[in-house]
Amino acid sequence: KQEVTQIPAALSVPEGENLVLNCSFTDSAIYNLQWFRQDPGKGLTSLLLIQSSQREQTSGRLNASLDKSSGRSTLYIAASQPGDSATYLCAVYEGYSSASKIIFGSGTRLSIRP
Amino acid sequence: NAGVTQTPKFRVLKTGQSMTLLCAQDMNHEYMYWYRQDPGMGLRLIHYSVGEGTTAKGEVPDGYNVSRLKKQNFLLGLESAAPSQTSVYFCASSYSASGLYNEQFFGPGTRLTVL
Repeated sequence: KQEVTQIPAALSVPEGENLVLNCSFTDSAIYNLQWFRQDPGKGLTSLLLIQSSQREQTSGRLNASLDKSSGRSTLYIAASQPGDSATYLCAVYEGYSSASKIIFGSGTRLSIRP
Repeated sequence: NAGVTQTPKFRVLKTGQSMTLLCAQDMNHEYMYWYRQDPGMGLRLIHYSVGEGTTAKGEVPDGYNVSRLKKQNFLLGLESAAPSQTSVYFCASSYSASGLYNEQFFGPGTRLTVL
């Protein structure tokens, strides 16, 4: 059974720092991996989706990498800002022929101190 | 395009009451999903549908029923609500189940409290 783990559960860093969020998964037979952002009491905002054939995706100050063989993905945030404070969720896509099911990690709650 | 919308946004029920959550998408997606999110946890799949008229069980289906009578709508029903069903419910849809088009798009969520 696929398990997705995000460590640490919470992280606090001063504004301006570069930081890395980690995601690990137990079964490397995944299709895609997606990073989401969730603000308190809000829905999910998709940040980056990495397809299984790709190794990384970039959007602005965000860079996500995927290493299927080691079961790891990282989300790199450059020059962090207070507006980056949110919970970041990692999700892996399973299933090649049937409905693609997403397995979520429990998230890392990020706080950027001004 | 509105994307994925959910109705209602908030609801409070008493134990034993029933209700239906509505999810609608205007992207002509074949696949639709219902998830629940509990504090400190990621989302867990309740039920999903691979097309109009079809439904299937996910990871945590007990206590819920679903219907997909129209392609654009996916309904989640609670026949007899229990406090354990207090959660935030998210709907999602995707064009396909594989390949380049299986990215799931999420609705804003429905916050349900069962007293």
